Amino acid sequence: QVQLVQSGAEMKKPGASVKVSCKASRDTLADYYIHWVRQAPGQGLEWMGWINPQSGGTKYAQKFQGRVTMTRDTSMSTVYVELSSLTSDDTAVYYCAKYPQIQPWVGLQDWGQGTLVTVS
Amino acid sequence: SSELTQPPSVSVSPGQTARITCSGDELAKQFAYWYQQRPGQAPMLVIYKDIERPSGVPERFSGSSSGTTVTLTISGVQAEDEADFYCQSADSDGNWMFGGGTKLTVL
Repeated sequence: QVQLVQSGAEMKKPGASVKVSCKASRDTLADYYIHWVRQAPGQGLEWMGWINPQSGGTKYAQKFQGRVTMTRDTSMSTVYVELSSLTSDDTAVYYCAKYPQIQPWVGLQDWGQGTLVTVS
Repeated sequence: SSELTQPPSVSVSPGQTARITCSGDELAKQFAYWYQQRPGQAPMLVIYKDIERPSGVPERFSGSSSGTTVTLTISGVQAEDEADFYCQSADSDGNWMFGGGTKLTVL
């Protein structure tokens, strides 16, 4: 079972960008779709989009269009989410989560540990 | 845009049955998923495809669907079930969405 390990907490100034990584504990993420979900302090879950590490294809939530970029490295073992033009409203825990490409109906059964991004 | 509506809170005594609803037009056409989130932890999937339970999730968790409403039922609630629960679905364009979340309190 491929586990997801995320990068450490980040502190950014307003207007800056942040890039959070999500790495497979072993093997690659090529057989999965990776979604990014964030959660502001005391708030609910918010879907940001997904990336197909094999093709590089992406789909972003309309709210983040133009401000978010999801990428993967050439080995397909790590995916990234980059968010630009940060404001205090972007302060949140950012999670990556996955499901198998051949079973898209099984839901997000595995999640990373989360990365706290603080904008101040 | 499409939305999913959940009650903000549900309270039950240990051993009773908790029911958490989630409503939205897309639920008549798309599958629903349920996630449990304990404080300080990542969400955990408890129901997928409306009614299916992942391996390792206790049998007391079940899901049902009727029209534009889906329901998560927890039978014989235990203290450890206290958490926030989120429903999730997608629209026909593949845009995902989460409900606002329901805080389950075990009295």
